[in-house]
Amino acid sequence: GENVEQHPSTLSVQEGDSAVIKCTYSDSASNYFPWYKQELGKRPQLIIDIRSNVGEKKDQRIAVTLNKTAKHFSLHITETQPEDSAVYFCAAPRQNFVFGPGTRLSVLP
Amino acid sequence: DTAVSQTPKYLVTQMGNDKSIKCEQNLGHDTMYWYKQDSKKFLKIMFSYNNKELIINETVPNRFSPKSPDKAHLNLHINSLELGDSAVYFCASSQGHQDQPQHFGDGTRLSIL
Repeated sequence: GENVEQHPSTLSVQEGDSAVIKCTYSDSASNYFPWYKQELGKRPQLIIDIRSNVGEKKDQRIAVTLNKTAKHFSLHITETQPEDSAVYFCAAPRQNFVFGPGTRLSVLP
Repeated sequence: DTAVSQTPKYLVTQMGNDKSIKCEQNLGHDTMYWYKQDSKKFLKIMFSYNNKELIINETVPNRFSPKSPDKAHLNLHINSLELGDSAVYFCASSQGHQDQPQHFGDGTRLSIL
């Protein structure tokens, strides 16, 4: 199948805490793993991506880790800020561009 | 300069009408997409074109017809609009297929009365 699952579906954290969102895919041939952020009323925007030849990638407060054996990759946000509040989507482009169902992150001041 | 631009931004129309949404990208990308985002925020691919050739055509009603006059444009025409077509439609583009980031337009909010 072309399932892409995300957990949790909603996540509330206190400002300054860390947030982790996990994405599970099914196509073992997948080699590109992006995360998109969609703020309310806006378009989805790529925030970080990783390719299958590395296990982790960091960009300031955001990181993505990949476990190809288990077929999942995770988004890590450290020192969360109110502007991190949004819906986050993972995607499996090789699986016919299926997007995960989204995770609504709320950062409480 | 807007990289992926869609028009119109809002579209309010009655059931049974025919409407079009236009999309243009100035990034020089060779692949363009249409997505539908419903009220629950699920993003579902509808079509993908690579160099003006249709490469993905998901299970959408044949009332929806994409047209790509050149690789910088991908328009979406919808016939006989139904209530269930109400959603936000996003156009996107990428360089290459399946392994490159997608750049999204600002979306077209379609409301059917």
